[in-house]
Amino acid sequence: LAKTTQPISMDSYEGQEVNITCSHNNIATNDYITWYQQFPSQGPRFIIQGYKTKVTNEVASLFIPADRKSSTLSLPRVSLSDTAVYYCLVGDMGASGTYKYIFGTGTRLKVLA
Amino acid sequence: NAGVTQTPKFQVLKTGQSMTLQCAQDMNHEYMSWYRQDPGMGLRLIHYSVGAGITDQGEVPNGYNVSRSTTEDFPLRLLSAAPSQTSVYFCASSYGGVGIQYFGAGTRLSVL
Repeated sequence: LAKTTQPISMDSYEGQEVNITCSHNNIATNDYITWYQQFPSQGPRFIIQGYKTKVTNEVASLFIPADRKSSTLSLPRVSLSDTAVYYCLVGDMGASGTYKYIFGTGTRLKVLA
Repeated sequence: NAGVTQTPKFQVLKTGQSMTLQCAQDMNHEYMSWYRQDPGMGLRLIHYSVGAGITDQGEVPNGYNVSRSTTEDFPLRLLSAAPSQTSVYFCASSYGGVGIQYFGAGTRLSVL
């Protein structure tokens, strides 16, 4: 069963870089790693996705080591508006042979002034 | 561009009542899924579908039915509502199994 493990919560100050690590020891060979952000009373929103090495977009970077058993989401210079829950997802094979996506507990990031 | 639309936004049911939560997407996505989120908790997968006519169970399927007769729609049916089903329900869609999931705004359901 593909499963992710993340820290439950993190605190940071405005302007700092935040790194959130996710463990996914049983990731499948052809699976991607996807991170989502969720604000209260909203649905999750896509942040970044990667398969290996490093991926960067306008809001975050994703670092994936060669063994792909973990990944690290990096948020540069966080602001108060980055306070949210961050989820790491990998796929899991369902009974019909199709992929399903199971959310873990997520990491609750609180950015302090 | 509507994306993923969920209706209703709020619903109050009495124990034993049945209802259908609607989900529609206009992005021609093959993959659709339903999650529930209890207060302060993560999302749990209820059912998902990889295309019209194909559905499969997630983590917490009991008490819920789904069908997928068209690419656009993926309704979630509560057969006999129970207080334990009080939650926020999110529908999501993506292009293919590894694609980025786009989420609706959610349906907040209370079962009394």
